[in-house]
Amino acid sequence: GAGVSQTPSNKVTEKGKYVELRCDPISGHTALYWYRQSLGQGPEFLIYFQGTGAADDSGLPNDRFFAVRPEGSVSTLKIQRTERGDSAVYLCASSQVPGLGNIQYFGAGTRLSVL
Amino acid sequence: AQSVTQLDSHVSVSEGTPVLLRCNYSSSYSPSLFWYVQHPNKGLQLLLKYTSAATLVKGINGFEAEFKKSETSFHLTKPSAHMSDAAEYFCVVPRGNQGGKLIFGQGTELSVKP
Repeated sequence: GAGVSQTPSNKVTEKGKYVELRCDPISGHTALYWYRQSLGQGPEFLIYFQGTGAADDSGLPNDRFFAVRPEGSVSTLKIQRTERGDSAVYLCASSQVPGLGNIQYFGAGTRLSVL
Repeated sequence: AQSVTQLDSHVSVSEGTPVLLRCNYSSSYSPSLFWYVQHPNKGLQLLLKYTSAATLVKGINGFEAEFKKSETSFHLTKPSAHMSDAAEYFCVVPRGNQGGKLIFGQGTELSVKP
C-alpha cells in the first residue's frame, strides 16, 4: 500500500492478557517508530528502529513492552500482562532514513482498550 | 533539552475568519520544528516543517508558520478557516540533532463554526 498500515485498528482485551500490534511501513523506509497517545495528550515516543535493530528504546515504559522488526520491514509491538493504564492509541510511523527534516509518515493507529 | 508548549488546548473560529494556533519552543540550539494535523480516526499528517532555511514556512491547505527566534515561537496561521480544518493540531520538535524521536506538544483542538 501507499501509506503506513496498522492492524488491528481496534483491540479490546482483558487485564493480564498478551497483545500484539502490527505495523507495515511504507515500502523502502528504513526507519520505523512507535508512539503511544493517551486520551487528550500528544503522542509519546516509545521506540525506533533503523533497519532490524532498535536504535532507541528509551521510551518503552517497562519490561512488559517489547518490539521487533526481524526483517527490517514489518514491526510488531508486544505487550505482556496488559494493565488498564496501557489503554491508548498506539501509533506507528516510518521515514526514509532517520534524521532532522526527514518526514515521519504516520499510520491511523491501533486503539487498545484494556478492560 | 527540546520541548514545545502549545498555549491553547482549544480554539474556536468561524468559517472564513483567520486561524492562529500558538506554539512556543525551548531548545539549546536552533531547532527543526513541525506542525502535524490529526483528523478523527486518521493518521497524523505533516502540515509544514521548518529546518533553518526561510523563517516563514508555507504548508499544505493554506497554512503557514513563522519561526521567531527572539520570541521562541512557531505559531501556525491561516487567513481564512474552512470547515474541513476542524481537527487536532500538534507542534513538534525532534529530540536532539540526530533525528529519531519526535516530541509533541499537548495539541490544540480547532473547531470551525459555520
